[in-house]
Amino acid sequence: ILNVEQSPQSLHVQEGDSTNFTCSFPSSNFYALHWYRWETAKSPEALFVMTLNGDEKKKGRISATLNTKEGYSYLYIKGSQPEDSATYLCAFRPGGGNKLTFGTGTQLKVEL
Amino acid sequence: DGGITQSPKYLFRKEGQNVTLSCEQNLNHDAMYWYRQDPGQGLRLIYYSQIVNDFQKGDIAEGYSVSREKKESFPLTVTSAQKNPTAFYLCASSIVTAYSTDTQYFGPGTRLTVL
Repeated sequence: ILNVEQSPQSLHVQEGDSTNFTCSFPSSNFYALHWYRWETAKSPEALFVMTLNGDEKKKGRISATLNTKEGYSYLYIKGSQPEDSATYLCAFRPGGGNKLTFGTGTQLKVEL
Repeated sequence: DGGITQSPKYLFRKEGQNVTLSCEQNLNHDAMYWYRQDPGQGLRLIYYSQIVNDFQKGDIAEGYSVSREKKESFPLTVTSAQKNPTAFYLCASSIVTAYSTDTQYFGPGTRLTVL
C-alpha cells in the first residue's frame, strides 16, 4: 500500500489569512496527483489534477504546485474565506495503474 | 442533472446481516469505485470496475462483494464476514481513456451503522 501523507491534520485560520498545506507521496513511478475539496455534508469535489514536475495550477484564490522529484505538492489559499472551510484531500496515482491512494486530508476551518 | 446518487444516506443494520448499498451514475462513465472512510484515515479503496461485468479488488475487499451488470450501477454488499462494517461509504466514477488522469466524481455517501 502506497504512503500518501498530508500535513497538518487540521488548521484554524482567521478570515483574510493566507494558508498552505502539504501532500507527500512516493517520488518514484509518478503519474498524477489530484487535489479534492470536501465540504461537510457534500461530496468531494475535484480541484486540480497535476501531472508534470513544476506544474502550477490556479483556481480563483486556490493554487497548487507539484514537485515529483522530491514527492510533494503544496496547496495554497490566499485570503481565506469562511466558505473555504473544508477538508482538502490529495490523491496519488502511480504509473501503470488507475487506482488513487488518498491522504488523510487537512481539515481547514476559517473563522470570522 | 448529471451525477452520482447513493442511497440511503443513513443505514442501520443488525450484526450478522448482509446489507447492500446502492450507487447509480448518469455520467456515462466507464469506471466506478467504492471507498470506505474511517475517522483519522484516508479514503480506502474497496472494489473498482472499469467495464460492465468486470471488477477488481481494492486494498480492503475482504467481507465485501460487488456486481456490475449495468454501466450505470455498481452496488456494494457488506457481508456478515466484514468484521468492522460501521463506516462511511463513498461511491465514485470516472471516464477511462488511454491518457485520462481519471478525475473521480463522488456521490454523497452512505453512513452505515451496524448495531
